[in-house]
Amino acid sequence: ELKVEQNPLFLSMQEGKNYTIYCNYSTTSDRLYWYRQDPGKSLESLFVLLSNGAVKQEGRLMASLDTKARLSTLHITAAVHDLSATYFCAATTSGTYKYIFGTGTRLKVLA
Amino acid sequence: DGGITQSPKYLFRKEGQNVTLSCEQNLNHDAMYWYRQDPGQGLRLIYYSQIVNDFQKGDIAEGYSVSREKKESFPLTVTSAKKNPTAFYLCASSANRATEAFFGQGTRLTVV
Repeated sequence: ELKVEQNPLFLSMQEGKNYTIYCNYSTTSDRLYWYRQDPGKSLESLFVLLSNGAVKQEGRLMASLDTKARLSTLHITAAVHDLSATYFCAATTSGTYKYIFGTGTRLKVLA
Repeated sequence: DGGITQSPKYLFRKEGQNVTLSCEQNLNHDAMYWYRQDPGQGLRLIYYSQIVNDFQKGDIAEGYSVSREKKESFPLTVTSAKKNPTAFYLCASSANRATEAFFGQGTRLTVV
């Protein structure tokens, strides 16, 4: 059964600093997704990673996928306050449409 | 505009009552999903449907029921048997497994 774990669960960082959120999954999966959720709101899609070695970048966020290590990372470069949110990763198992989510990382960027 | 519409946004019910949450999509997506989110927690899959007239249980299906009579609609009923149903419920849809799931704005259910 596919399980998805994220760490850290909470992250408080200063503006201008860099940091990485890690997403591990337990069984073979070649699809990995990253979402953002603002307090009280729904989820917004950030990245879709479909193959080993995939790297996607948007602004100060960069996501990568290593299917051999069963690991995806979300790297934040020079954080700004607007990036404060909860970030989720999700994976799907081969042959199914089940999106299994990690527990989320609550990011707070301090001015 | 294409998207997923959940209604109502807020819902209050007394314990012992069934309640149905609506989810409609006009994205022509085959697959639809229901997730539950508790405060400070991740998303847990309740039910999902890959095609019309077919659906599968997720990890926490007990106390919930769904139907998929039309491609665009996937209503969720929270039955009176469900313990601790107060939560934020999110509906999502996807075109296929190679694309992301898109989410509605959610329904916040409070049972008193």
